[in-house]
Amino acid sequence: GAVVSQHPSRVICKSGTSVKIECRSLDFQATTMFWYRQFPKQSLMLMATSNEGSKATYEQGVEKDKFLINHASLTLSTLTVTSAHPEDSSFYICSATSGVSEAFFGQGTRLTVV
Amino acid sequence: AQSVAQPEDQVNVAEGNPLTVKCTYSVSGNPYLFWYVQYPNRGLQFLLKYITGDNLVKGSYGFEAEFNKSQTSFHLKKPSALVSDSALYFCASPGSGNTGKLIFGQGTTLQVKP
Repeated sequence: GAVVSQHPSRVICKSGTSVKIECRSLDFQATTMFWYRQFPKQSLMLMATSNEGSKATYEQGVEKDKFLINHASLTLSTLTVTSAHPEDSSFYICSATSGVSEAFFGQGTRLTVV
Repeated sequence: AQSVAQPEDQVNVAEGNPLTVKCTYSVSGNPYLFWYVQYPNRGLQFLLKYITGDNLVKGSYGFEAEFNKSQTSFHLKKPSALVSDSALYFCASPGSGNTGKLIFGQGTTLQVKP
């Protein structure tokens, strides 16, 4: 299957700082990428949909100024958690699709804000 | 509202026995249905999908799933469970239309004991 690489896999940051998470499609052009958040032992909750070259569409309740998404190319989307706080600690997962097949997921990023 | 449900939080089976992880759906039109598996602190791995055609879908690692329109179900099955199958399993659907924006079930933890 197609490969989606997410980096970093783990990050610990201080409260008040910003963290950037990258999601790359390695062997296909991802017209659309998705960002999910997963709390321990829970399902994935969609945060936002990112289309290359346009503004992300955020799900209800997700603060777009806090979770900045950029999808500048067909192979890269980034999620920046701005002014992170302990309640932002979570597992963040991206997925990517070319639009003609199923979505492929990155390995996930474990964010811990201390 | 479109939804995907996994009625069991956890399924326990003995190694070598058949396993079933249940999924029911409520989506409009012809459903697209997926199964993913997640190992601890990892992203999701695609197992199989139903788009159209045969109701019995075969996927990775010996898993299969049966689409049942009358029961609106898409249960995941494997004839003989392995300890290494122990993981978190998600059923998902993009609702109507072929998009990567997935609606996930709650997830079912599969525990296979030696």
